[in-house]
Amino acid sequence: EAGVAQSPRYKIIEKRQSVAFWCNPISGHATLYWYQQILGQGPKLLIQFQNNGVVDDSQLPKDRFSAERLKGVDSTLKIQPAKLEDSAVYLCASSPEATGYEAFFGQGTRLTVV
Amino acid sequence: GEDVEQSLFLSVREGDSSVINCTYTDSSSTYLYWYKQEPGAGLQLLTYIFSNMDMKQDQRLTVLLNKKDKHLSLRIADTQTGDSAIYFCAEIETGKLIFGQGTTLQVKP
Repeated sequence: EAGVAQSPRYKIIEKRQSVAFWCNPISGHATLYWYQQILGQGPKLLIQFQNNGVVDDSQLPKDRFSAERLKGVDSTLKIQPAKLEDSAVYLCASSPEATGYEAFFGQGTRLTVV
Repeated sequence: GEDVEQSLFLSVREGDSSVINCTYTDSSSTYLYWYKQEPGAGLQLLTYIFSNMDMKQDQRLTVLLNKKDKHLSLRIADTQTGDSAIYFCAEIETGKLIFGQGTTLQVKP
C-alpha cells in the first residue's frame, strides 16, 4: 500500500513570497490533516478535512494560509504572503476514520523563509 | 484546553528500559497514542490504548494509562540504539489529534 505522498520535500523562499504544498493521501482515506511542526515542538493541527469538507480549521491563520481538498482526494496548502515565523515542517496525514485512529503521516515539506 | 505535556529529553544505556511520560488534559479522550519520529521522517504510529484500558503490551512496548491522574507512559524494554528518536504522545480532543512537544530519547551504546 502506497503511503502519504507530499511534495516538495524542501522549499526555501523569501518573506512575502507565496508557496504551495501538495499532499496525496492513502487511497480510500476519508480524513486528511495538515500539521505545522516548528523545530523543537510537537505538530500543531492547521486544518482537518473529512472527504472534501472542512471539519476544523480553527488553528489556520486564514489571513495568509489557505487549503483545499479537491474531489475529496489530493490537497494543497498555500501560504501567501509568507513570514519568517512560517519556517517549519508541514506534515500531511490521512486516516480511514474521523477519530484520528491510525493516522498515517507523509515525510513532510520543510519550509525555510528567509 | 489543549495541553499535552512531556519531558523533553531522556538518555539511557543500550539494554536498559526507557520510560517516557506524558500528561494530557481531555478526560473524554477515547484513544491515546504514541508516535515515533526519526530524523527527517514523518511520524510513525507505535501503539495506542483505549481509554477503558489500564495497560497494553506490544512486544517490547508497554503502555500504562492512569485516567485519574491523566497520565500516560511508554516503557521500552531492552532499549536499542535504533530506538533513538523523538516520541510524541497524542490524544483525541473534540475530534482533533493533539500532540505533546515530544521527548527526545538518546540511547548510548
